[in-house]
Amino acid sequence: GAGVSQSPRYKVAKRGQDVALRCDPISGHVSLFWYQQALGQGPEFLTYFQNEAQLDKSGLPSDRFFAERPEGSVSTLKIQRTQQEDSAVYLCASSLDGGVSQPQHFGDGTRLSIL
Amino acid sequence: AQSVSQHNHHVILSEAASLELGCNYSYGGTVNLFWYVQYPGQHLQLLLKYFSGDPLVKGIKGFEAEFIKSKFSFNLRKPSVQWSDTAEYFCAVNRRTGFQKLVFGTGTRLLVSP
Repeated sequence: GAGVSQSPRYKVAKRGQDVALRCDPISGHVSLFWYQQALGQGPEFLTYFQNEAQLDKSGLPSDRFFAERPEGSVSTLKIQRTQQEDSAVYLCASSLDGGVSQPQHFGDGTRLSIL
Repeated sequence: AQSVSQHNHHVILSEAASLELGCNYSYGGTVNLFWYVQYPGQHLQLLLKYFSGDPLVKGIKGFEAEFIKSKFSFNLRKPSVQWSDTAEYFCAVNRRTGFQKLVFGTGTRLLVSP
């Protein structure tokens, strides 16, 4: 069945370039999360959407990071003026609604490498 | 702030050996607890979860975990591992109220040799 889809799977960019990472959640899922997973670490929360509303962006590491979900489905995570420390796997997850009992379904992630 | 500790970063076992992976969390309130697994080349998948009730929870593929509130622990167990259990295992926690932001541990890489 259709799961969470992320694109691209791999992205290489030069330091200073802007990048955009896409997440297609499971159809009908209200909640959408972005996580950042550095090498050898567990995923760390970046931001959360309920439909099109960004309810929490406390995990975004700097103002260079921006996320949107304008129509309440597809979401884009944008990183401006990339730095080497932005190299990581960016994971997207969706769940049916905002209830804490609903499991999060993860995508395969986008592996971002900044040269 | 919430935090999750997984003390074993790498575990190597032979097939049929028993497995126990430690997980401790730090949080003053009521939490939900999860174990996720990531098989090589695949996405994170939910293995099992604890919300309330019986502190011994059973998940997929013969895994189980026990919530011990007094120890703030949620250790993962399997009596007899298989080569196909080779994967990375993550313990995670979220608050019982509010939305579902997960706080993950650093993960444990399990290698099962045939």
